[in-house]
Amino acid sequence: AQSVTQLGSHVSVSEGALVLLRCNYSSSVPPYLFWYVQYPNQGLQLLLKYTSAATLVKGINGFEAEFKKSETSFHLTKPSAHMSDAAEYFCAGSQRGQLIFGTGTRLQVFP
Amino acid sequence: KAGVTQTPRYLIKTRGQQVTLSCSPISGHRSVSWYQQTPGQGLQFLFEYFSETQRNKGNFPGRFSGRQFSNSRSEMNVSTLELGDSALYLCASRPDSGGTSYEQYFGPGTRLTVT
Repeated sequence: AQSVTQLGSHVSVSEGALVLLRCNYSSSVPPYLFWYVQYPNQGLQLLLKYTSAATLVKGINGFEAEFKKSETSFHLTKPSAHMSDAAEYFCAGSQRGQLIFGTGTRLQVFP
Repeated sequence: KAGVTQTPRYLIKTRGQQVTLSCSPISGHRSVSWYQQTPGQGLQFLFEYFSETQRNKGNFPGRFSGRQFSNSRSEMNVSTLELGDSALYLCASRPDSGGTSYEQYFGPGTRLTVT
C-alpha cells in the first residue's frame, strides 16, 4: 500500500525567500504524485502532478516539484514566496483511483 | 468549464439526524469521489463512484453511503449523525478516460457541523 509523508506541519518564510515543502512517498510501483493547495474555507486546488513523463514538473503559480526515485521524494519548491502563497499544501499519491494524502504543511509568509 | 459544485456549503445538524450532501462533477467527468477532512484525521477517502456503481470504498462505517446518478451527479448520505462526523466533506471528479488522468478536481466542500 502506498503512503505519503510530509515533513514539517508548519513552514515559515519571508516574502521573496525560497519555499521548500517536503514530501516522501512509499510505493512498490511507480507512483502518480500530486501537490494540492488549500486556501481557508476552500476546497483543494491542483498545483501540479507527476505521471512519469518528466522528473521535473512545473505547476501553477510558479511552483515546481522534482521526482527523485532514489530518495523516494517529491518536494515542492518556489524560488520566491509571495504573501498570496500562504495556505496549506498537501502531497498526495494515487492508489487504485483514490488519493492518499499526506498530513499537510501550513505555509506562512512574512513580509 | 464549470468546476465541481457542492451543495449546501454549510450545514448544521443534531446528533442522531441524517444528512444528504450533493455534488455535481465537471461536465464530462464520470468518476466522483468523496473525502472527509478533519483536523485530527486529515483527508480520508470515503468512496468512489463510476457509472452509477461504487468502485472503491474507504474505511468508514456503514452509516456513510453514497450513490451516483446517470448524469454523474452524486450524493452522499450520513445516517445517525455523531459529533465526530463534523468535518469538511469534499467531492472530487476526474475524467477516467482510461488514460493517466488520475488527478482529481475538487469542489469547495460542505462544512457539516453536528451539535
